[in-house]
Parts: sequence; C-alpha cells; structure tokens
Amino acid sequence: EVQLVESGGGLVKPGGSLRLSCAASGFTFSTYTMNWVRQAPGKGLEWVSSISSSSSYIYYADSMKGRFTISRDNAKNSLYLQMSSLGAEDTAVYYCARANLGFDAFDVWGQGTMVTVSS
Amino acid sequence: DIVMTQSPDSLAVSLGERATINCKSSQSVLYSSNNKNYFGWYQQKPGQPPKLLIYWASARESGVPDRFSGSGSGTDFTLTISSLQAEDVAVYYCQQYYNAPFTFGGGTKVEIK
Repeated sequence: EVQLVESGGGLVKPGGSLRLSCAASGFTFSTYTMNWVRQAPGKGLEWVSSISSSSSYIYYADSMKGRFTISRDNAKNSLYLQMSSLGAEDTAVYYCARANLGFDAFDVWGQGTMVTVSS
Repeated sequence: DIVMTQSPDSLAVSLGERATINCKSSQSVLYSSNNKNYFGWYQQKPGQPPKLLIYWASARESGVPDRFSGSGSGTDFTLTISSLQAEDVAVYYCQQYYNAPFTFGGGTKVEIK
C-alpha cells in the first residue's frame, strides 16, 4: 500500500524550532518529487516547499524562505522539514504529499501532523 | 506568483442536482510544449487530508466517480459535480502546479440544500 506518515509535530514556543518527518512506503520514494503543504485551523491549503527526487531542485513559499529547510534521505525513504523562528502564524497541520511522476499533481497525501506555536 | 481565485466560497445544492465551482488563475497554466494545463482539483472532507480528483484540468484520477468532471484551459477552469451525492459534502480546492509556488485556491465549501 502506498503510504505517507508524518511525525514530529507538537507544541513549540514562539521563536522555537521543530523538525517534521514523513516516512514513505509502498512506492519507489527516490524517484518522486515531494512536497509539504500546511493548513492552519479552519483555513485553506498552503503549499510550503518542494524537493525534487535527487534534491537538485528545492523551492519554498516566500513566507518560509530562510526559516524552513526541506530535505530528504532516499536511503531511508524519508522527507523532512526543519522549521525555525516559528511564530503563531505557523500553527497548522503539516501534510507531506507526493507529486505524481506523470502529471505532477499531488496524488498521495499523508494524514498530517499538527504543529502548535504558543507560549 | 500565480494567484488562484475560486468562486463561490460556498454553495448549497440539492441531492441529485448539479454543482459548479470555478477557479481563475492570474496567468496561464497551459504548458505550450505539451498542451497540458498544470492544474488540478482536490476534495477535502472534515478531518481528512485532501484527495486528488482531477489533474491536467480534465483528467479524472483513478477511482474518482464519473459525476466529477473538470473543464477549462489557460486561466479559467470549472469543476462540475453532475449529480450531487451526500458523500460529496466537502471543501474543494483548485491548484496550479505550473510553477513554484504551487498555489491553491481559497476553497469552496459544498453543502446539501
């Protein structure tokens, strides 16, 4: 079964850091571009970052540049998001999502991990 | 950045009736080299992650019922649910994956009238 499982969310103080992980299974992780998408409580979807299969191409939403770092370990079938200088506006469910090889839309999503930034 | 504007924000439709959602992108998402629109529609039910319904503007993802259809090209797109079922109550999002940042529309909440 194709699956993505996020972990690492939790409560963090403003200005703090957190590292999210996404474990992939059921497909050849190393061949896919992967993404992080977040959703603040009661709000819409916001794309966060993307990393190509070999990590050659990395993109961030403007509001995350310089604070978030996406990475992957293809040997461990894992995707990561290192987040720093967190603020209340970063409170959200963070999803990892796979970009389909043929048509690039996000065809597989994890269940998400909740990040709460609060003092 | 490409801005995606969805309308309406919400709509209530009777069971069995048609629901139509629109999405407009601030610039074309049609890739001329392959004549494909890098555009998709997602469905999100409460407490669940989004689910891909439509890619390339009009191609139905595997397993998606044929009452869901997508149309449009360039900058204007439509998602149609031909005969609304109770299980279609959800928020629907459009997205462009033409270039980064891969922006989403604000969402349209579909309810039963």
